[in-house]
Amino acid sequence: QVQLQESGPGLVKSSETLSLICTVSGGSIRNYYWSWIRQPAGKGLEWIGRIYTSGSTNYNPSLKSRVTMSVDTSKNQFSLRLTSVTAADTAVYYCARGVYVMDFWGQGTTVTVSS
Amino acid sequence: QSALTQPPSASGSPGQSVTISCTGTSSDVGGYGYVSWYQQHPGKAPKLMIYEVSKRPSGVPDRFSGSKSGNTASLTVSGLQQADDEADYYCGSYAGSNNPYVFGTGTKVTVL
Repeated sequence: QVQLQESGPGLVKSSETLSLICTVSGGSIRNYYWSWIRQPAGKGLEWIGRIYTSGSTNYNPSLKSRVTMSVDTSKNQFSLRLTSVTAADTAVYYCARGVYVMDFWGQGTTVTVSS
Repeated sequence: QSALTQPPSASGSPGQSVTISCTGTSSDVGGYGYVSWYQQHPGKAPKLMIYEVSKRPSGVPDRFSGSKSGNTASLTVSGLQQADDEADYYCGSYAGSNNPYVFGTGTKVTVL
């Protein structure tokens, strides 16, 4: 059974960079798309972007200027960087396998942006 | 790219059915066959319930069904069960190469 686990700082200062890693276990990261999704408290889901194991990416246009995703197949990990964060970036961040069909999800990690 | 439109809430009594709509445009829901539905219980990660409009992943009860007509997709939950089915439901759709994915606004389903 494929499992995903997000990791990274739970607190990030305003204007700094949010960095998260998603570790995949129980299966290979190769030959799949991988997505990041976030959810502010009490609000809906927002798709952030996706990466293929070749390294090709697509990002949500609303976040594109601040987002970078990368993949490390040797570690079965992929990562998210979001620059110049503000309070509006405070959310639970999820990683998931796939894009059109997100069949496995991590448990989510809460990131709070502090001033 | 705007979020797909869902009703904020829906409800039904145990054993009844509830249908949730997900309205988009011809650039997302109406243009492709890649509509998915996700169930989310409080404090938990979303769970895939329906993909490619009407397909169910292994392990999802056949009480959950999906369909699409034009720019609107629908999720029907039949035989409502109090604990299992009371949750937030989100639709999602492929939306083209420039912004591959968009979620719906979410619907809270209450079992009365």
